[in-house]
Amino acid sequence: DAGVIQSPRHEVTEMGQEVTLRCKPISGHNSLFWYRQTMMRGLELLIYFNNNVPIDDSGMPEDRFSAKMPNASFSTLKIQPSEPRDSAVYFCASSSTGELFFGEGSRLTVL
Amino acid sequence: RKEVEQDPGPFNVPEGATVAFNCTYSNSASQSFFWYRQDCRKEPKLLMSVYSSGNEDGRFTAQLNRASQYISLLIRDSKLSDSATYLCVVSRNTGGFKTIFGAGTRLFVKA
Repeated sequence: DAGVIQSPRHEVTEMGQEVTLRCKPISGHNSLFWYRQTMMRGLELLIYFNNNVPIDDSGMPEDRFSAKMPNASFSTLKIQPSEPRDSAVYFCASSSTGELFFGEGSRLTVL
Repeated sequence: RKEVEQDPGPFNVPEGATVAFNCTYSNSASQSFFWYRQDCRKEPKLLMSVYSSGNEDGRFTAQLNRASQYISLLIRDSKLSDSATYLCVVSRNTGGFKTIFGAGTRLFVKA
């Protein structure tokens, strides 16, 4: 069975560039979560969707961040423009019963 | 104040030791509780759910005290392979399950 699939696995970009992270949840899961993990702040919930609808985006740090879920099998997290402090591992997770299944993460470095 | 607080550790213990992790949460509307495990440079994975009556899974025992808003995890007879970060997780229904992670407690088990 395919798990949660994230791309890219690694991205290095320069300050000011647009970054798009992608996620394919597990088929049949109706909730999708985006988290950011850093050493300083741990795993922070950015936004989550239920049945493709954004439910809570209070964790999105600022307007430079946006997330979409156009259908049940795809979501994107976009950062525009990116800044060095956005460097982190970004995890996508999906769920149907409460247990979260995580992708392997996208490691973002903004120079 | 963070919604889920954990002692960051690290805990350094010898093989065979018993180790306990504690966690507190601030939102009394929290409904579901979990412990996740995260290995270095990997994604978090569910270790066990935590039930009101307490529950055990092999060498692992989880307890929940709703009145004190306190969760614990006990690991008996620790193994080298238990070395990881243990994440306390709470969830509540807000139209989907908003799932918040603590920053994690690092455990090192040494021979």
